[in-house]
Amino acid sequence: LAKTTQPISMDSYEGQEVNITCSHNNIATNDYITWYQQFPSQGPRFIIQGYKTKVTNEVASLFIPADRKSSTLSLPRVSLSDTAVYYCLVGEGGLTGGGNKLTFGTGTQLKVEL
Amino acid sequence: NAGVTQTPKFQVLKTGQSMTLQCAQDMNHEYMSWYRQDPGMGLRLIHYSVGAGITDQGEVPNGYNVSRSTTEDFPLRLLSAAPSQTSVYFCASRDRGGNTGELFFGEGSRLTVL
Repeated sequence: LAKTTQPISMDSYEGQEVNITCSHNNIATNDYITWYQQFPSQGPRFIIQGYKTKVTNEVASLFIPADRKSSTLSLPRVSLSDTAVYYCLVGEGGLTGGGNKLTFGTGTQLKVEL
Repeated sequence: NAGVTQTPKFQVLKTGQSMTLQCAQDMNHEYMSWYRQDPGMGLRLIHYSVGAGITDQGEVPNGYNVSRSTTEDFPLRLLSAAPSQTSVYFCASRDRGGNTGELFFGEGSRLTVL
């Protein structure tokens, strides 16, 4: 299983772009990269998933370089409500192999201030 | 849609007592899993199931039992509770045929063992 490393915490201000980088040096060929967001006293919520290059949805972008050993979650123009813990996960898509044992690291605590 | 429902939301046990945390999902997901989250830490996988009658261990299975008799339900049993099992427990499910393998989480069950 690919291990991930993220910064423990980050601080930002409203309106800024926030980039959270995750390292996953041992990522396997079949592994996807997925990011989740967790607010206090709630379960994590899916944000975005990608395999390579760039993926964008209505809330975030995910940048994955060619070697796939890292990924960057980009949150444009953050607000106070984006204060949360963000987790990077690496594992196979589907229900085979590592895709079943989806492990969460300690995540990155993002704090957004006025 | 109810999604993933966990009961109870709060529970206090004495050391040595047993109990079952219930998890039910109404999305016809084949994959279900249990995580525990300790203060300031990420989520650790306890057990998971890829379908009725099939279960397997995660990172921290000791002290917990699971069974999967139906697609909808995935109960987590503590046979003899210990203070070290004080934690917040999250149940999650996933669609086998989904494009992203997104995990859907319940709201959590907060367990205190005295």
